[in-house]
Amino acid sequence: GAVVSQHPSRVICKSGTSVKIECRSLDFQATTMFWYRQFPKQSLMLMATSNEGSKATYEQGVEKDKFLINHASLTLSTLTVTSAHPEDSSFYICSALGDRGNEKLFFGSGTQLSVL
Amino acid sequence: GQSLEQPSEVTAVEGAIVQINCTYQTSGFYGLSWYQQHDGGAPTFLSYNALDGLEETGRFSSFLSRSDSYGYLLLQELQMKDSASYFCAAFSGNTPLVFGKGTRLSVIA
Repeated sequence: GAVVSQHPSRVICKSGTSVKIECRSLDFQATTMFWYRQFPKQSLMLMATSNEGSKATYEQGVEKDKFLINHASLTLSTLTVTSAHPEDSSFYICSALGDRGNEKLFFGSGTQLSVL
Repeated sequence: GQSLEQPSEVTAVEGAIVQINCTYQTSGFYGLSWYQQHDGGAPTFLSYNALDGLEETGRFSSFLSRSDSYGYLLLQELQMKDSASYFCAAFSGNTPLVFGKGTRLSVIA
């Protein structure tokens, strides 16, 4: 099956710093990746759709200047949380569609961000 | 808009059978997926139904009725390790999956 690697798994940072999260598809090419955010005991909320070589498509209410997404290659998408604040603390998960069909999402292992 | 409804919590006894229901309202519906997520982990794919009927994969089965906009996940011979959150998700062509709010399953001895 397709493998999506996400790094780092956990980040603790001070308020005002920026944090970069990487998402890689290891054994397939992912032209499209998705970034989700999840608060404790809640569902996954789509933040943005990342397309290789073009600008990301953000969901309503998600600040594009705060959550910078770069999809520079077919195997790598990055999410940078700029000037993080405590309210940005959350579980961030990336995912990609497998190359054999569009109905199955493969998820990275997630990044737990804690902003002090 | 798109929305999926599923129970927030279910408790069942080890060895028993449990059914988690999901009703959906989506435009351009293609199929229904189910994902399992353990605490602190990432969701993992369980099943996908594009056609009406029952799909069986080991202890897990998933059902879809397109006319009723309804589906369910059936877990048999429950084990303690099945305690997790289960999400139904609607697939609508090239749009990202829309997830339900999740059902937290607790398996007790």
